[in-house]
Amino acid sequence: DAKTTQPTSMDCAEGRAANLPCNHSTISGNEYVYWYRQIHSQGPQYIIHGLKNNETNEMASLIITEDRKSSTLILPHATLRDTAVYYCIVRVAWDEGGADGLTFGKGTHLIIQP
Amino acid sequence: DTEVTQTPKHLVMGMTNKKSLKCEQHMGHRAMYWYKQKAKKPPELMFVYSYEKLSINESVPSRFSPECPNSSLLNLHLHALQPEDSALYLCASSQEKLGGGHQPQHFGDGTRLSIL
Repeated sequence: DAKTTQPTSMDCAEGRAANLPCNHSTISGNEYVYWYRQIHSQGPQYIIHGLKNNETNEMASLIITEDRKSSTLILPHATLRDTAVYYCIVRVAWDEGGADGLTFGKGTHLIIQP
Repeated sequence: DTEVTQTPKHLVMGMTNKKSLKCEQHMGHRAMYWYKQKAKKPPELMFVYSYEKLSINESVPSRFSPECPNSSLLNLHLHALQPEDSALYLCASSQEKLGGGHQPQHFGDGTRLSIL
């Protein structure tokens, strides 16, 4: 799986959009970008994933650059409950043969300020 | 509330004890996982079970013994652990579909283990 680089920490004001960058310059054509987050004292939570098109769901939006070497997770209206460590993970879709695990990097500690 | 339930939430044990961690899910998922997370570090994969069969063991020491008695349960048996094994142990599950795909993993909130 390709390596990812994320800032160690970021601050964002409550109510504003939080934009979390991820660099994955060695991504392969068959690798997807996944985002998970881990709120303190909880297990990680899946947020969103994408290949090359921008994606949006009820939690967030994922913007992937045209060359796929970087992406940005956007939380449109951050709340205090969004304070967490956000992990960007690049991996292939597992094919027939079974599931494989996730390889977490160090992630970004996002702190939402009141 | 998480759909993956882990018990106990906290466990303190001596190095000579034998204990077990339990994980349960009722979402019909056929892939289950154990991760270990040290303080201020990201989770690290330990084991993967697919259709109740061990498919991945990430070179975990034999003092950790996983078991998947049925499609809803995953256990982690512990014996003769070391102080450096103190960590948060996370269980996760995901669907398995023919042809693979992108099935997000659903995590429990973990068991915090302390070895005296």
